[in-house]
Amino acid sequence: DAGVIQSPRHEVTEMGQEVTLRCKPISGHNSLFWYRQTMMRGLELLIYFNNNVPIDDSGMPEDRFSAKMPNASFSTLKIQPSEPRDSAVYFCASSPAGSGGANEQFFGPGTRLTVL
Amino acid sequence: QQPVQSPQAVILREGEDAVINCSSSKALYSVHWYRQKHGEAPVFLMILLKGGEQKGHDKISASFNEKKQQSSLYLTASQLSYSGTYFCGTDNSGGYQKVTFGTGTKLQVIP
Repeated sequence: DAGVIQSPRHEVTEMGQEVTLRCKPISGHNSLFWYRQTMMRGLELLIYFNNNVPIDDSGMPEDRFSAKMPNASFSTLKIQPSEPRDSAVYFCASSPAGSGGANEQFFGPGTRLTVL
Repeated sequence: QQPVQSPQAVILREGEDAVINCSSSKALYSVHWYRQKHGEAPVFLMILLKGGEQKGHDKISASFNEKKQQSSLYLTASQLSYSGTYFCGTDNSGGYQKVTFGTGTKLQVIP
């Protein structure tokens, strides 16, 4: 299996521009997670989906952030407009179904976002 | 709420042992442990589901004290490859996989 695929791997943009990050989860996994990692705040859960449905988006920092999962093999995280404080590494992770709901999360390689 | 990890950083010589602690202010459904090497994605180590459960992975093991809302990761006879940042993740959501990660413990193993 190819693992979780994220694109782009690096993104440099200017303040005010729209940014779209993409994720393809591992085939057969039914849960998908978006995380943001910074030195100051560590690894933060932004939103997660189960069977393509958003379950908890309480970690989304503000209305400038939105996420979609139109089908089981694709998800996007959009920032509009972007700000310098959004600079971070954004990880997508997926997880299979299993007993008790506690399963290993497989992380993608991440997208390093720099907003100038 | 973010779990608290200690220590924040530790330096070991090859062959030495280390313990990383993780504590939560909320009741825990499960505890997850991951390791992240610099510039890479976090990689799963183990999940502990039940109070009192202990697991092992090579020379890395963990325990889960449900009553104390704590977990500890034990690294025995450390190897250079153990270097990285270790994160505990706690699930307080009753199994809905909402994992909140701690701030991490940076471990460096030197020859």
